[in-house]
Amino acid sequence: EVKLVESGGGLVQPGGSLRLSCAASGFTFSRYWMHWVRQVPGKGPVWVSRIQGDGGNIIYADSVKGRFTVSRDNAKNTLYLQMNSLRAEDTAVYYCARVGVGFEIDYWGQGTLVTVSS
Amino acid sequence: EIVLTQSPGTLSLSPGERATLSCRASQSVRSSYLAWYQQRPGQAPRLLIYSTSTRPTGIPDRFSGSGSETGTDFTLTISRLEPEDFAVYYCHQYTSSPYTFGQGTKLDIK
Repeated sequence: EVKLVESGGGLVQPGGSLRLSCAASGFTFSRYWMHWVRQVPGKGPVWVSRIQGDGGNIIYADSVKGRFTVSRDNAKNTLYLQMNSLRAEDTAVYYCARVGVGFEIDYWGQGTLVTVSS
Repeated sequence: EIVLTQSPGTLSLSPGERATLSCRASQSVRSSYLAWYQQRPGQAPRLLIYSTSTRPTGIPDRFSGSGSETGTDFTLTISRLEPEDFAVYYCHQYTSSPYTFGQGTKLDIK
């Protein structure tokens, strides 16, 4: 069974930093591209970043470029999102998501809430 | 950036009825890289349809997807609504970065 479990969310002040983790199980993690997607409750999801299985070919949404860094440790089956210079508009539930063989997002984690507020 | 516009915003129907949800793209979605997701309250999105019309294993056949030849108009059809189908539905294009989602259609019980 594919399982994605995010952690690391919480309350942080504007300008602060946070690192999210996503523990993967039930599949060969290194073979799959992964996304981070965020969602403000009541709104549609918004794509944040994508990373290939070997850790290469990383891309970001313009809204987070230069502030967020995605990485992965295939030995630990874990995906990360380092978030710096956080803003109020970064407040959302953050999901990690797996890219399927047809390039679609086929599995999502349960999400972790990030709140940026003073 | 490809903007996806979903309609209607809210659709009120009864169990057993047919639901038709639309998603229009601001430019052609190449290779039919369009997916549909269902999201129930407090849950993560669940994949229903990918590549415009392909159902993953385990998705009931009452869910079907189609698209126009222009690659800009897409439809999700639920042939006979079950109580568990009342949720929010999102379309998503993954043909080019930035990958985008529609704003959602809420399907609620009439």
